[in-house]
Amino acid sequence: NAGVTQTPKFRVLKTGQSMTLLCAQDMNHEYMYWYRQDPGMGLRLIHYSVGEGTTAKGEVPDGYNVSRLKKQNFLLGLESAAPSQTSVYFCASSYSKGGNQPQHFGDGTRLSIL
Amino acid sequence: GQQLNQSPQSMFIQEGEDVSMNCTSSSIFNTWLWYKQEPGEGPVLLIALYKAGELTSNGRLTAQFGITRKDSFLNISASIPSDVGIYFCAGRGPEYSGGGADGLTFGKGTHLIIQP
Repeated sequence: NAGVTQTPKFRVLKTGQSMTLLCAQDMNHEYMYWYRQDPGMGLRLIHYSVGEGTTAKGEVPDGYNVSRLKKQNFLLGLESAAPSQTSVYFCASSYSKGGNQPQHFGDGTRLSIL
Repeated sequence: GQQLNQSPQSMFIQEGEDVSMNCTSSSIFNTWLWYKQEPGEGPVLLIALYKAGELTSNGRLTAQFGITRKDSFLNISASIPSDVGIYFCAGRGPEYSGGGADGLTFGKGTHLIIQP
């Protein structure tokens, strides 16, 4: 009964370092999303994927890249981390677009960039 | 893009009191969702609303989809300590209206703090 699993849960990086956040879902969902959550800003969509092999930009995509090589996994990459990317990152998935399918969230990855 | 205004930003209440919060939009939505987020966790879906005027309950929680399709309300009756958290509204507009993969736009959250 895992749902959406994010790894790692915490990470501290130095400016300029790179890293990849992993999101895995076991619900056979087509759609997957990466959000960042900052104080007073709510949830903002970074990138999303409507299916294996496809990705698209969300509201705040700059500085991030994503890949969806397998349906169950959605990776978020930071090529050169910046302090402005310090945030809590949430992955979510949903069965399909439209209709009445709510998004299910992971527990987040807390990322600090020094 | 679509804008969601969620209020109040925070609430300090006594245990046992009723709670009311709302979200308003600059454009119409076809779906309203209410999530709760507890410290260290991701948002968890509480209630989903799919029709204008719809009133749906989940235990002590009741949410309504406004008739104008531009607002939604969440009420919590007889609050208890475990109700503490951040409550987010989220709305989905008509297809292709923007806001992400499925047009879902989130409010900035209402912080609920309960004093014993």
